[in-house]
Amino acid sequence: GQNIDQPTEMTATEGAIVQINCTYQTSGFNGLFWYQQHAGEAPTFLSYNVLDGLEEKGRFSSFLSRSKGYSYLLLKELQMKDSASYLCAVRDPSGGSYIPTFGRGTSLIVHP
Amino acid sequence: AAGVIQSPRHLIKEKRETATLKCYPIPRHDTVYWYQQGPGQDPQFLISFYEKMQSDKGSIPDRFSAQQFSDYHSELNMSSLELGDSALYFCASSLSMGEKLFFGSGTQLSVL
Repeated sequence: GQNIDQPTEMTATEGAIVQINCTYQTSGFNGLFWYQQHAGEAPTFLSYNVLDGLEEKGRFSSFLSRSKGYSYLLLKELQMKDSASYLCAVRDPSGGSYIPTFGRGTSLIVHP
Repeated sequence: AAGVIQSPRHLIKEKRETATLKCYPIPRHDTVYWYQQGPGQDPQFLISFYEKMQSDKGSIPDRFSAQQFSDYHSELNMSSLELGDSALYFCASSLSMGEKLFFGSGTQLSVL
């Protein structure tokens, strides 16, 4: 089975930096995704990590440590529009499937 | 750029009725996924298709069925609807199995 953990909710101030953590326990590993989802809308792709290290993409960065089963999403220069749910999803091919399994998501509230 | 198109956007049904949800993947994407997301829940994988064949099966009830047609669009058929089926149903597509998923805007199903 798969176990993906994220904090349920986080709050941060506009202009600040926030780090959203994701830990996972899977039999195998073939990549970790981060998606952003605004209420009632579709998840939109943010990042994909399959090797250890930091991937930077504008204000968003994602880090992966496979040995620790750990990833984080770093959001810099927070804007009000960043208030959303952030979903971590892991792909575990050990059962022959390439379907990503999603965590519960972290609801980020950005306030002025 | 073309995105994943789902219809209808909203659907209201009564218990024991049937519903059909449609999904049109991004052109040249050969893999389609269906997810169900209840309020405040993470997306739960239902079923996927690769090149018009079922590739993976998740927590899809026996009352539901799905298929992918020759033009790669997919339909999720839901029968004997129950109150608990009320949820947001997302379709996603990817260039092939193992690639990142792009989600449609979802169909909000309400069963009364």
